[in-house]
Amino acid sequence: QSALTQPASVSGSPGQSITISCTGTSSDVGRYEFVSWYQQHPGKVPKLIIYEVSERPSGVSNRFSGSKSGNTASLTISGLQAEDEADYYCCSHAENSAPYVIFGGGTKLTVL
Amino acid sequence: QLQLQESGPRLVKPSETLSLTCSVSGGSISSTTHHWGWARQPPGKGLEWIASIYYNGNTYYKPSLKSRVTISIDTSKSQFSLKMNSVTAADTAVYYCARENRSSLGDWGQGTLVTVSS
Repeated sequence: QSALTQPASVSGSPGQSITISCTGTSSDVGRYEFVSWYQQHPGKVPKLIIYEVSERPSGVSNRFSGSKSGNTASLTISGLQAEDEADYYCCSHAENSAPYVIFGGGTKLTVL
Repeated sequence: QLQLQESGPRLVKPSETLSLTCSVSGGSISSTTHHWGWARQPPGKGLEWIASIYYNGNTYYKPSLKSRVTISIDTSKSQFSLKMNSVTAADTAVYYCARENRSSLGDWGQGTLVTVSS
């Protein structure tokens, strides 16, 4: 069960939009609507920003949005702000004779 | 406000067993809508889910770690625990406990760095 595939890094300028992809398989991202995304600033605890593909927890900015097509999920951040610079991880429910959870390798977002 | 707090030895010798406990407050560990889980993050690396457990004792493990890991729950103490045997330096990481709902980890402990070294 290899980690979900994310780009190692993405960058954008303030005000722009960026999208981070998360590619899995038909045993995880492609099969279940249980994809989540986390934001982690250096030295801090990960924070849930998207759950069940496209739902936002209370208090999370609507600049963050999620979607899924086939085996690939995506996180879009619109109106980039300096405070968005962080690591982002996708996560999915998976099953292979038993259920488990799998993370992506993480993407470093740089706000130029 | 739900709070989770990890506790346990910060230094473990190679080949020995890592043991951590997560204390839950501000919410019921017997919730029927949540699982309780562990994840870890080696220094400078990404997140890795390890295992989770339901209040009734149903357990779920990362397949590649299943042979070395045991997760348990004590609802009377509002705690759940992780044991990982035969540790090596590769198991050095910040270990987080978390509350899960449908495979999303919505609430996290502060994390505890466990170092495997002689």
